[in-house]
Parts: sequence; C-alpha cells; structure tokens
Amino acid sequence: AQSVTQLDSHVSVSEGTPVLLRCNYSSSYSPSLFWYVQHPNKGLQLLLKYTSAATLVKGINGFEAEFKKSETSFHLTKPSAHMSDAAEYFCVVSPLEGNTGKLIFGQGTTLQVKP
Amino acid sequence: DTGVSQDPRHKITKRGQNVTFRCDPISEHNRLYWYRQTLGQGPEFLTYFQNEAQLEKSRLLSDRFSAERPKGSFSTLEIQRTEQGDSAMYLCASSSGTGTYNEQFFGPGTRLTVL
Repeated sequence: AQSVTQLDSHVSVSEGTPVLLRCNYSSSYSPSLFWYVQHPNKGLQLLLKYTSAATLVKGINGFEAEFKKSETSFHLTKPSAHMSDAAEYFCVVSPLEGNTGKLIFGQGTTLQVKP
Repeated sequence: DTGVSQDPRHKITKRGQNVTFRCDPISEHNRLYWYRQTLGQGPEFLTYFQNEAQLEKSRLLSDRFSAERPKGSFSTLEIQRTEQGDSAMYLCASSSGTGTYNEQFFGPGTRLTVL
C-alpha cells in the first residue's frame, strides 16, 4: 500500500527565511505525488504535482519540490517565506492501481511564519 | 465556473439523527470524491464516483453511510443514526478526465458536529 509520512507536524520560520517541509513516501513503484495547502477557513488548494516528467517541480507562490527516488522523499521548499504562507500543508500520494485518482494525505505540517 | 460548492457549511445534530450533505462539482467534471477530515489530521478518502457510478468505497464508509450521484452531476452523502465519532469536516472534490494526475478541486467542506 502507498503512504506518505510528513516528518514535522509543526515548522516555524521567520519571514524572509527559507522554508523546508519534509515528506517521505512509501511505494513499490513511481507514485503520483502532490503538495496541497489549506488556509484557515478555505478549501484545499493544489500547490504542485509530480508527474514523472521532471524531478524538480515548480508550483504556485514560489514553492517547489524535488522528487528523490533514492531517498523516497518529496520535500517542499521555498527560498523566502511570506506571512501569507502560514497554513497547513499536506503531502499527498495517489495510488496508480485502479486508476481512480483518489488521494492519500499525510498528517499535515503546520507552517508558522513569524514577523 | 464557480468551483465546487457544498451545502450546508455547518451542521449540528443530535446523536441518532440522520443528516444529508450535498456537493455540486465543477460542471462537466466526471469524477467526484468524498473525504473526511478530523481535527489535526489529513483528509481520508471515503468514496469515488465516475459519472453516476460509485466505483470505490473506503472501509471507513460503514453501513450507516451512503452516497449517491444520480445523474452524474451533484452528489449527496447521507449518514444515518449519527454517532459522536462522525463529527468531522466532510470534503467533496471533483476532477476531469482520467488518470491519476488530474488536479482535484476541493469544496469548502461541511463541518458536522454530533452532540
């Protein structure tokens, strides 16, 4: 079975400093991987997705993630945090079997951005 | 295109009562998903529709839960004889096409509180 593990439940950074949110996945084959963001009282929004075309994936709002098969990781980064980045972030895998497109979410990482 | 909408946004009910939630996906999206999110956790997959056909149900979906998508457009999720453990945010998402890479667009959710 496929799964994702987010290694930090809470990350705190200062505005203007880099952001690193860590995610490891478990899969017997190359998975479909995503990062979603959930702002308070707002719906989940797709940040970026890995489609096997390129290992470095660029998303919205300056975020990017690198797929590393040897480390089974898909960490999310941003060079400089903004106050508006404070939210809950989910690393997500979509199993290929059945071709349903259903999503399996990690536990989430709360990003706090301090002024 | 107004996005995925869900109704109601909040529902408070007493244990043992039945509740029904509605989801209106983005028009012409053939795939529709229901997820449940409890406090501090990532969303968990409940069920999936391809047009009007319900093609997968999670083991989380007990016999008290039923979902329909009668004409391949809106969907309803009914919970019978609600229990306090059913208290959660119920999320609906839709996507177009086939495959596992298509972005799922999420609604704002229905927050259920069972007293």
